[in-house]
Amino acid sequence: QSALTQPASVSGSPGQSITISCTGTSSDVGGYNYVSWYQEHPGKAPKLMIYEVSNRPSGVSNRFSGSKFGNTASLTISGLQAEDEGDYYCSSKRSSSTPLVFGGGTKLTVL
Amino acid sequence: QLQLQESGPGLVKPSETLSLTCTVSGGSISSSSYYWGWIRQPPGKGLEWIGSIYYSGSTYYNPSLKSRVTISLDTSKNQFSLKLSSVTAADTAMYYCARHGVAGATSFYYFDYWGQGTLVTVSS
Repeated sequence: QSALTQPASVSGSPGQSITISCTGTSSDVGGYNYVSWYQEHPGKAPKLMIYEVSNRPSGVSNRFSGSKFGNTASLTISGLQAEDEGDYYCSSKRSSSTPLVFGGGTKLTVL
Repeated sequence: QLQLQESGPGLVKPSETLSLTCTVSGGSISSSSYYWGWIRQPPGKGLEWIGSIYYSGSTYYNPSLKSRVTISLDTSKNQFSLKLSSVTAADTAMYYCARHGVAGATSFYYFDYWGQGTLVTVSS
């Protein structure tokens, strides 16, 4: 069982917006602004999409945005495109002997 | 553009040691600005951070794996390596190498470059 909880799957039609949640505890997601999100396509290297809750690395589309409320972080993708289909993982700092923890991943399907 | 590439045997026998190497191109692992880490993903499961190493040789390990993990680096080859001993079927996973920032910096908590991953199966 993963340290952070994500829905197994979400789906949306092209042009729509979707949100993926990432739920932790006050020892990780809720306690720090160090949530990051990764996109994974089969056979490709995972790609950093969001870091420190809401920051986008250079080159990442502004259709991707991140937020956090309490112990739950969220990744929102607006104007959904076919190329957004893939797996998404969240990660967070944790105040324990394991400083980095991940979520179980969410499969995004673009209908 | 920084690139990371994992390499190593795709099949390891139970009780043996899994050994993987990550070759870094387009940047130096001797940089004082980064840690170099290993992450794995068992089939159908989420990601798990294994551990990371700094150019000085300083390491962080996931406590759940610490007794079996060794991460080292070879600056002359611009590579870093993972050894996981006494493997079982539970260690079957896609193994990734990745870069993150230095300990104490906010960038320690995210990986900005990843390799494509290599699948390791533990089976007799």
